[in-house]
Amino acid sequence: DTEVTQTPKHLVMGMTNKKSLKCEQHMGHRAMYWYKQKAKKPPELMFVYSYEKLSINESVPSRFSPECPNSSLLNLHLHALQPEDSALYLCASARVLRTSGGPQGATQYFGPGTRLTVL
Amino acid sequence: QQQVKQSPQSLIVQKGGISIINCAYENTAFDYFPWYQQFPGKGPALLIAIRPDVSEKKEGRFTISFNKSAKQFSLHIMDSQPGDSATYFCAASPNYQLIWGAGTKLIIKP
Repeated sequence: DTEVTQTPKHLVMGMTNKKSLKCEQHMGHRAMYWYKQKAKKPPELMFVYSYEKLSINESVPSRFSPECPNSSLLNLHLHALQPEDSALYLCASARVLRTSGGPQGATQYFGPGTRLTVL
Repeated sequence: QQQVKQSPQSLIVQKGGISIINCAYENTAFDYFPWYQQFPGKGPALLIAIRPDVSEKKEGRFTISFNKSAKQFSLHIMDSQPGDSATYFCAASPNYQLIWGAGTKLIIKP
């Protein structure tokens, strides 16, 4: 099973709202990712969790707050977003391949995404 | 050095033809090269991937050709079908992050 699930599929929120995006995987992957994707662009990395600890934050504004409650779940808490934050938000997971030379590239499996619209 | 350059930006191929998308990279530390297929409104799905110790990998109608010395890799789709119409992204990975190409919008004409 290579499924990553995301909820909700669509979300419309005002600039003063607080909402959360959820992601779940049961593949035993210990790396989990949040990406933002604008139309006709590749996914843009936001956060990486490795072994439930935040390992990379790509200078994302604090109105986006990630959380990894356990090895299967990843949340993205949203607060005071701007209209330009409207995008497809993707979650992904991957094995962490450790070699003597350091972490090695592994397949990232993506969820279907949450289409976020900020009014 | 962290860039992956992908071409063409868009591609129109007749049904049954061969679709070819090219990517180039600079960083020799990259050790994993996947291709993702994405349909509108959906998440990217892994199509095929290769590591630099092989020069070619084939899965069904999809083939990756890899030229380590030229730091280039390409995706070939044989017998292209209308259902292959999608955006294709190449990527490269030095660890467990992905460096993405800009994407190619492929249209297969019936």
